[in-house]
Amino acid sequence: DAKTTQPPSMDCAEGRAANLPCNHSTISGNEYVYWYRQIHSQGPQYIIHGLKNNETNEMASLIITEDRKSSTLILPHATLRDTAVYYCIVRAGTGKSTFGDGTTLTVKP
Amino acid sequence: GAVVSQHPSRVICKSGTSVKIECRSLDFQATTMFWYRQFPKKSLMLMATSNEGSKATYEQGVEKDKFLINHASLTLSTLTVTSAHPEDSSFYICSASVTDSLRSYNSPLHFGNGTRLTVT
Repeated sequence: DAKTTQPPSMDCAEGRAANLPCNHSTISGNEYVYWYRQIHSQGPQYIIHGLKNNETNEMASLIITEDRKSSTLILPHATLRDTAVYYCIVRAGTGKSTFGDGTTLTVKP
Repeated sequence: GAVVSQHPSRVICKSGTSVKIECRSLDFQATTMFWYRQFPKKSLMLMATSNEGSKATYEQGVEKDKFLINHASLTLSTLTVTSAHPEDSSFYICSASVTDSLRSYNSPLHFGNGTRLTVT
């Protein structure tokens, strides 16, 4: 069973920040939070991951709450090409990952 | 960055035949690879965990004799759909993460681009 819950869909205006929430209230101490996105008919693309500190890379920022029960993926300046299904998963080590239903983000001009 | 190559990207086969899908880690070693299946407008469903040099671990409800997995080297896992039927038509995706001792604990999964299987 998936360990995360996400809203099924979100819209965002092009050029604005997209903030995608994820709840993972049963996360274990050794589990990392990973974010991926999937554009139609392609394999998922890794975006970012973190344990408890906020993280930033060239694609996005990840904000993890202090209790680690939820996180937010931030795309600072969304473009039309960011339209995709975004998945938040938790995973420890090299263990398997179970995907939930994800959030369909639609970036609108 | 780590690259996972999956082949073929599309395959059409006749009912009753078998189809082999390859998953390769191009620039890293992966002792473990994962196989997923995805139906239209649905999320990825984990089918099995492929372990180099040992038997694969299948998720509940996945027929191991139907979906044969072989992981003969640290860079190659194969999924064979045996005696395929139209209900096996789906999008199959493999993934792997770097498994060297220094980086493996929080190494992200890298996914292939998937294989679209159509059984007629």
